[in-house]
Amino acid sequence: GGIITQTPKFLIGQEGQKLTLKCQQNFNHDTMYWYRQDSGKGLRLIYYSITENDLQKGDLSEGYDASREKKSSFSLTVTSAQKNEMAVFLCASSIETGGVYYAEQFFGPGTRLTVL
Amino acid sequence: AQSVDQPDAHVTLSEGASLELRCSYSYSAAPYLFWYVQYPGQSLQFLLKYITGDTVVKGTKGFEAEFRKSNSSFNLKKSPAHWSDSAKYFCALEGLLFGGSNYKLTFGKGTLLTVTP
Repeated sequence: GGIITQTPKFLIGQEGQKLTLKCQQNFNHDTMYWYRQDSGKGLRLIYYSITENDLQKGDLSEGYDASREKKSSFSLTVTSAQKNEMAVFLCASSIETGGVYYAEQFFGPGTRLTVL
Repeated sequence: AQSVDQPDAHVTLSEGASLELRCSYSYSAAPYLFWYVQYPGQSLQFLLKYITGDTVVKGTKGFEAEFRKSNSSFNLKKSPAHWSDSAKYFCALEGLLFGGSNYKLTFGKGTLLTVTP
């Protein structure tokens, strides 16, 4: 088994601020993901990474940067926080299976962002 | 393009009843389909997946889902339901991203299930 940890658990920022969220996994998984979960909506993919130093944009990458410097960690930066923004950011990881990604994803507990 | 629709935002039923949560998808190729569950205050957990083969797949916690290609559906079922099944359930489709070589998971908006004792 393994675990995904996300820090911080709660993040409060000011409008225009640059904010960084961190994710660590000890599954030894190749692929890691960042999703945004808004109330009443499904999860939307922000960025994903199939290996160390690889970055791929998802549907919602505008306004975000990501970094994968180690296999076990994946960071997400909100480049300029939007006023009244509230969302949960979920990190996930999965094992690569022969180049076809139908392996299940394991999710972290989330970081809840509030922008004042 | 790929999409997932969960038409019921909220489903309420009594403990002991049978539950069926609906999911339909749109995708031009063979789909890989998943169900995830999010219990209150927790993150998402994998329940089951359909890749190929038997159209009825069994997962954890007594759940099963049936893949029907004829109407592009992948409904989640359990009988009987228990109050502890109260949670938000997400259907997801894994498909080729932007016609390239990378796959991505597209989630539905979720169905909030409430099972009353």
